[in-house]
Amino acid sequence: DIQMTQSPSTLSASVGDRVTITCRASQSISAWLAWYQQKPGKAPKLLIYDASNLESGVPSRFSGSGYGTEFTLTISSLQPDDFATYYCHQYNSDFSFGGGTKVEIK
Amino acid sequence: QVQLQESGPGLVQPSETLSLTCVVSGYSISSGYYWGLIRQPPGKGLEWIGSIYQSGSTYYNPSLKSRVTISVDTPKNQFSLKLNSVTGADTAVYYCARQRLRGSTPFHFDLWGQGALVTVSP
Repeated sequence: DIQMTQSPSTLSASVGDRVTITCRASQSISAWLAWYQQKPGKAPKLLIYDASNLESGVPSRFSGSGYGTEFTLTISSLQPDDFATYYCHQYNSDFSFGGGTKVEIK
Repeated sequence: QVQLQESGPGLVQPSETLSLTCVVSGYSISSGYYWGLIRQPPGKGLEWIGSIYQSGSTYYNPSLKSRVTISVDTPKNQFSLKLNSVTGADTAVYYCARQRLRGSTPFHFDLWGQGALVTVSP
């Protein structure tokens, strides 16, 4: 099975900062990767799919890139609503998630 | 709009069977998409349990496969999870989710239910 490793596990940032989260796969997953945002007590929300496609209704400050084993989620200018935990998810072979990155207020 | 709603017992005794039902509203479960189940232990990350298509075709997480059965009831527009021989490690919020297709292959989850906490305890 494919292991997904996210870094960092926690990230402290301020409103307006550019934020980058990394996800690494234990083997190549082509571009079959999604990113989700989860707030406390809520279900995850799809942000990005197929590594770089923005889900409808998601603000354009979110972007994704990568191919193969290394992927990034970037928030170009962090907004108050963006403080949350972010998960990557591979769907190349079965389905697995990264351990999460908590974005907290600096 | 499309909604998924989980319903379950809340509390399950160790060694017994956890049963959870996901009711889909606003969309016919027979109109395409896979339908998945994911769980999240308190304070931890997400774990995929399994997925099912309207035809009954299933994918299961290999680590849970021996204990999991997922079924679909198209007339009732719902799908269900049974997880047997539960322990405290199965305590989690259980989510239902819709899973996009590419051809006949399930891909990412695009819509989630609110989740249902199931606690395994004597």
